[in-house]
Amino acid sequence: DQQVKQNSPSLSVQEGRISILNCDYTNSMFDYFLWYKKYPAEGPTFLISISSIKDKNEDGRFTVFLNKSAKHLSLHIVPSQPGDSAVYFCAASARDSSYKLIFGSGTRLLVRP
Amino acid sequence: DAGVIQSPRHEVTEMGQEVTLRCKPISGHNSLFWYRQTMMRGLELLIYFNNNVPIDDSGMPEDRFSAKMPNASFSTLKIQPSEPRDSAVYFCASSPSGGFPHEQYFGPGTRLTVT
Repeated sequence: DQQVKQNSPSLSVQEGRISILNCDYTNSMFDYFLWYKKYPAEGPTFLISISSIKDKNEDGRFTVFLNKSAKHLSLHIVPSQPGDSAVYFCAASARDSSYKLIFGSGTRLLVRP
Repeated sequence: DAGVIQSPRHEVTEMGQEVTLRCKPISGHNSLFWYRQTMMRGLELLIYFNNNVPIDDSGMPEDRFSAKMPNASFSTLKIQPSEPRDSAVYFCASSPSGGFPHEQYFGPGTRLTVT
């Protein structure tokens, strides 16, 4: 039973364009969401997060949008750069489960020069 | 400032052998997490500690797996006996606070291959 789903295993975009990575969740108790980026042979690195009391959080080229009614969040990268090529994981957490992060299966982003 | 340190980076062992994975969290972090990444199941939490105490080990697959945190700067994940299906990348992560919510800082992982 996957509580956090990333239905697109891969995405390819042109440098300079927008990358949009999507994530859906099923547990309505989730109230904090995070995106991690992972390069080969490295551990995941925290990228950006959003609390359920917000619907948008922006950090430089990265913006996360949360649609609670649809149980959907997305990560926008504008403009995309070749160095953004990595696997992106969506993760969610619920207050009643304390520290547990539930991860999606990841989306591999390729930014073409 | 050093990040989360894991050793070894790669481990190849034969079925039935004992495997011990090691982790040194970031200094000052009081939460520590062990994850396993496989193609089939993705990134899954095995166990986490807060202030050296195991809080939730519901993700530990079976009794062959055990984890300890004898002090704030060291943790081990042991598999005994190991099986080929244990082959995966094992990540350790630490977090700077016991509060909620927070971000976790991952180590580079240990790639385990059991033949």
